[in-house]
Amino acid sequence: DGGITQSPKYLFRKEGQNVTLSCEQNLNHDAMYWYRQDPGQGLRLIYYSQIVNDFQKGDIAEGYSVSREKKESFPLTVTSAQKNPTAFYLCASTPLPGGAGYTFGSGTRLTVV
Amino acid sequence: GIQVEQSPPDLILQEGANSTLRCNFSDSVNNLQWFHQNPWGQLINLFYIPSGTKQNGRLSATTVATERYSLLYISSSQTTDSGVYFCAVQGAQKLVFGQGTRLTINP
Repeated sequence: DGGITQSPKYLFRKEGQNVTLSCEQNLNHDAMYWYRQDPGQGLRLIYYSQIVNDFQKGDIAEGYSVSREKKESFPLTVTSAQKNPTAFYLCASTPLPGGAGYTFGSGTRLTVV
Repeated sequence: GIQVEQSPPDLILQEGANSTLRCNFSDSVNNLQWFHQNPWGQLINLFYIPSGTKQNGRLSATTVATERYSLLYISSSQTTDSGVYFCAVQGAQKLVFGQGTRLTINP
């Protein structure tokens, strides 16, 4: 079945560490997105990519980095510069940039210990 | 940028009740979507509805684009309908989400 796989489901980070969240899709979608969700809040866009080897900052990109070397993969690195990284992270994709048909992964819950 | 407001923030109902969730948005849009987030965090796309009315089983949605609002109707609620319902509108290259309505259906 086609879909988006995010891993790991749960991740614990120590102060000062960088961690990488994985997002893989087999839907042949061009566009991929990373969103952050804090408790009781909506989703906020971190980064998005419309095509391989290209990506754009969203509303809250500071302290995060991404790469898009393959169409299927869009990993997110949470760097030590992100001062409040504890949150639920969701990856999504669409067939075309800015279009309908959003598919979301099941999310990664990141906690700083 | 576009602002999206949802109401009510919380809704608690008994199984079998009907409910109406509202989404107001601040600018004209050509893409509005409703999502359901289940208690495990999974987001499911319910409707793509920039205008007009759509129905899918017990759920239906109506968007009045000229008046900048959308409504999601849930009839004969079931406990599996519990979760958070999000409205999202397309801004410049991104989907802008409201804060959500948390729906709790008690047996």
